[in-house]
Amino acid sequence: EVQLVESGGGLVQPGRSMKLSCAASGFTFNNYDMAWVCQAPKKGLEWVATISYDGSSTYYRDSVKGRFTISRDNAKSTLYLQMDSLRSEDTATYYCARQGSYIYDYFDYWGQGVMVTVSS
Amino acid sequence: DIVLTQSPALAVSLEQRATISCKTSQNVDNYGISYMHWYQQKPGQQPKLLIYEGSNLASGIPARFSGSGSGTDFTLTIDPVEADDIATYYCQQSKDYPYTFGAGTKLELK
Repeated sequence: EVQLVESGGGLVQPGRSMKLSCAASGFTFNNYDMAWVCQAPKKGLEWVATISYDGSSTYYRDSVKGRFTISRDNAKSTLYLQMDSLRSEDTATYYCARQGSYIYDYFDYWGQGVMVTVSS
Repeated sequence: DIVLTQSPALAVSLEQRATISCKTSQNVDNYGISYMHWYQQKPGQQPKLLIYEGSNLASGIPARFSGSGSGTDFTLTIDPVEADDIATYYCQQSKDYPYTFGAGTKLELK
């Protein structure tokens, strides 16, 4: 059974940093591209970043470029999101998601999400 | 960025057909395959993949869900609607970065 379990969220002050983790199990982690998708309270879904199966390529939405870093440790089957210079508008639930196809990049499995609140 | 437009809400009766539309600002097809996918999200839960590549049913999803369309106009159909289908439905394109979602259509009971 595919499982994605996020951790590391909580309350953080504006301008500070936070690192999210996503532990994957039930599939061969290093065969899949992975992504982070966020959802602000009462709002819709927003793609944040994607990393290729081997970590060689990363992609970000403009609003997080230069502030967020997606990475992975294939030996530990774990995905990360390092979030620096956090802003109030980064407040959201962050989901880890598996990209189910190398070409078509749909999100076939999702974690339960972790809440990040940026506030003083 | 490719913008996806969905109606905010749709009211349906149980056992009737629900048709949810998604219009994109640019063509999201390539070589006959649609880079269009649909998700269901219930309150307090993570999204669930329903349809991928425009019309393919995801694993474990009931056959009352179907997807159609091409180019810039796509449709998710639920027929017949069951009580468990009351949720918000999102379309998503993966043709170009940044990947974008529609704002969601909330399916409500009449």
